[in-house]
Amino acid sequence: AQTVTQSQPEMSVQEAETVTLSCTYDTSESDYYLFWYKQPPSRQMILVIRQEAYKQQNATENRFSVNFQKAAKSFSLKISDSQLGDAAMYFCAYRSWPGGGADGLTFGKGTHLIIQP
Amino acid sequence: GAGVSQSPSNKVTEKGKDVELRCDPISGHTALYWYRQRLGQGLEFLIYFQGNSAPDKSGLPSDRFSAERTGESVSTLTIQRTQQEDSAVYLCASSQDGESEAFFGQGTRLTVV
Repeated sequence: AQTVTQSQPEMSVQEAETVTLSCTYDTSESDYYLFWYKQPPSRQMILVIRQEAYKQQNATENRFSVNFQKAAKSFSLKISDSQLGDAAMYFCAYRSWPGGGADGLTFGKGTHLIIQP
Repeated sequence: GAGVSQSPSNKVTEKGKDVELRCDPISGHTALYWYRQRLGQGLEFLIYFQGNSAPDKSGLPSDRFSAERTGESVSTLTIQRTQQEDSAVYLCASSQDGESEAFFGQGTRLTVV
């Protein structure tokens, strides 16, 4: 079974600064997906960014980018120019390929991101 | 619909009562997932439906938990004889085919008193 570990229960950053959230995972599979989800107080999980394990290039979505180190099984999220609206819980998640099925998404325990004005 | 819809948004129930939670997936999505999120925790997988195939129930924590789905439409998660440890947010997600991105509802916060 896969496991996902987020070692930072809480992170705080000044508005407009850059913050990096850490995630490590354990798997014996060679093909898989990795995700970062944002969960604001509304509770709805919102996909921030996804990475296919076979791609060497790190995924980027506007101010959000990842540092994917497959050999180290590390998948960190960098948020540049932090905004107040970025404050939320952030969850790292793993999914096997082919996807769906028995485990769906395996989630870490989350990092609470605080943005200081 | 435009997104995944869950009802009720919040539910308070007495210990020992049965509850039903409802999920309306995005129209056309064949895959549907239920997850449980305890306070301060990540999401735990409960059950997975894919089209008309038999559901994957491997995540259900006990026989008090069950779920149904009619075709590719609405799903209900039923918890019988609720216990205080069942208090959590129950999240539903759907995806087009089980491979594509999963879209989540806003969850049902269940409180057992």
